[in-house]
Amino acid sequence: ETGVTQTPRHLVMGMTNKKSLKCEQHLGHNAMYWYKQSAKKPLELMFVYNFKEQTENNSVPSRFSPECPNSSHLFLHLHTLQPEDSALYLCASSRTVQETQYFGPGTRLLVL
Amino acid sequence: AQKVTQAQTEISVVEKEDVTLDCVYETRDTTYYLFWYKQPPSGELVFLIRRNSFDEQNEISGRYSWNFQKSTSSFNFTITASQVVDSAVYFCALSEAMNRDDKIIFGKGTRLHILP
Repeated sequence: ETGVTQTPRHLVMGMTNKKSLKCEQHLGHNAMYWYKQSAKKPLELMFVYNFKEQTENNSVPSRFSPECPNSSHLFLHLHTLQPEDSALYLCASSRTVQETQYFGPGTRLLVL
Repeated sequence: AQKVTQAQTEISVVEKEDVTLDCVYETRDTTYYLFWYKQPPSGELVFLIRRNSFDEQNEISGRYSWNFQKSTSSFNFTITASQVVDSAVYFCALSEAMNRDDKIIFGKGTRLHILP
């Protein structure tokens, strides 16, 4: 199954910019996730949404703001980021939490 | 607490050799799920397998096989007759059925290089 899309695929932004990452799943899943993957750390779960409700925020700084308007779409709003926020941001979805997660291609973010 | 350990950070083998990626997990649950994902250079994590804790039968899918041993809390992944396209980072992951945090815990990954 490869029904998770992410845009943009690459993003370069300054520390004062505001941008948003978009994730869309076409699998009819009810749970969606944001992960951060940086060069020196393993996959870090950032946010979990289950039936559009946020069920987990893993101590993520407030400069990352998620939004889940419906079960098919998930956004990650970015503002006042730091260079250490440069990473690959992966979106995933699953039919229910605990079930297999299917990942999008990721957005490679570079903060200058 | 649940934990996934992939002790091999990086492995290099010559094409056509067999290679085994190790995964050891910790959990207090009796019902749990184990996963393997592949992450090629493009970045997308590709789901390979999901196994529940009650099914200890080994699984074979083409050149891929998985050995689930509850006695040693291991879920190892073997690639037979490796190919250059198998070069990727491979992640093992664990999910507990009774985990109220809704988490799948990933290991740190093993970077596999298949040399031509």
